[in-house]
Amino acid sequence: EAGVAQSPRYKIIEKRQSVAFWCNPISGHATLYWYQQILGQGPKLLIQFQNNGVVDDSQLPKDRFSAERLKGVDSTLKIQPAKLEDSAVYLCASSGAGNTEAFFGQGTRLTVV
Amino acid sequence: QKEVEQDPGPLSVPEGAIVSLNCTYSNSAFQYFMWYRQYSRKGPELLMYTYSSGNKEDGRFTAQVDKSSKYISLFIRDSQPSDSATYLCAMSAVGANSKLTFGKGITLSVRP
Repeated sequence: EAGVAQSPRYKIIEKRQSVAFWCNPISGHATLYWYQQILGQGPKLLIQFQNNGVVDDSQLPKDRFSAERLKGVDSTLKIQPAKLEDSAVYLCASSGAGNTEAFFGQGTRLTVV
Repeated sequence: QKEVEQDPGPLSVPEGAIVSLNCTYSNSAFQYFMWYRQYSRKGPELLMYTYSSGNKEDGRFTAQVDKSSKYISLFIRDSQPSDSATYLCAMSAVGANSKLTFGKGITLSVRP
């Protein structure tokens, strides 16, 4: 079974630029999560999708972050404009029925300079 | 008070030691409890998964959940250098819309 795929693995941008991350979840998983993990901290949920509907985006900075899940499968997370404090690893995860075990991708390491 | 608190680290032990990692939580609705292992520059990998209270064993790893005390533990027996990683506890309530909440993580180093 293929895992959660994310791209790119690394990205360096200047502040005020925009950036987009892509995620392909495990086939058949209805729930998709985007987490932000700052160095030395646990992952923080940014947004949770159930199929293509948003379940929780309470911690998503909506003035600069946006996310969509196309046809309930792939998802993109965008930051525009980026700030220095957005430097982090962005993790995508998915889970199947019952929303219990979440499986993570390798993450995208973003550096904003 | 944070929903999930994890013992601060880092933790360094000699090879062969028994390791105890712990988390406490405040949300009594949590029913699913997980431990993830994260190697440097990798995504978290699900290590153990427990529903409600009790123990679960998988090889050298044992997960314990005490819901009355809102306390979970992960024990690693005969620790190996390959166990050196960051360990994250995570938990969620029941329901399709429940979110997974993580602890801060603790970095474990097993010395040969």
